[in-house]
Amino acid sequence: DIQLTQSPSFLSASVGDRVTITCRASQGISSYLAWYQQKPGKAPKLLIYAASTLQSGVPSRFSGSGSGTEFTLTISSLQPEDFATYYCQQLNRPLTFGGGTKVEIK
Amino acid sequence: EVQLVESGGGLVKPGGSLRLSCAASGFTFSSYSMNWVRQAPGKGLEWVSSISSSSSYIYYADSVKGRFTISRDNAKNSLYLQMNSLRAEDTAVYYCARSDTAMVTGADYWGQGTLVTVSS
Repeated sequence: DIQLTQSPSFLSASVGDRVTITCRASQGISSYLAWYQQKPGKAPKLLIYAASTLQSGVPSRFSGSGSGTEFTLTISSLQPEDFATYYCQQLNRPLTFGGGTKVEIK
Repeated sequence: EVQLVESGGGLVKPGGSLRLSCAASGFTFSSYSMNWVRQAPGKGLEWVSSISSSSSYIYYADSVKGRFTISRDNAKNSLYLQMNSLRAEDTAVYYCARSDTAMVTGADYWGQGTLVTVSS
């Protein structure tokens, strides 16, 4: 199975900061990667799929890049509503998720 | 409006069984693949199982293979997860989630989740 390693696992940042989260795959997955945001007590929300395609309705401050084994999620200017946990997911079967990155207020 | 509503969660003893349901509305259910994803208390997301639009392709995580069975009824717009031989480590919130037919663009809609607690 393909393992996904997210880093950092915890991130403390301020409103307006540029934030980057990395997701590394144990083997090449082309661009079959999605990113989700999850807030406490809520279901995950799809942000990005195919590594870099923004899901409809997601603010443009979110962007994704990468292919193969290394991927990044960038938030260009962190907003108060962005404090949450972020997960990557690779879409080759069997599907797997990264361990998550919790973004907290500094 | 797309809606996914899970039901069937609850408290069950180790070794017991439970059947989860997910009622879908607001979209053509038979055109989408569906998934179950779970989240243990305080932990990350874990993919459990996926089923293609016509049930031709079914996939399971190793952790549930042989114990869980995913199925769907397109006439009833419903997704199911039959869970047998439950273990304490199966305790989690179980979400149903919609994905594209080929399951390559992620899960774009999720239910609110249903809690399964396995404990004696």
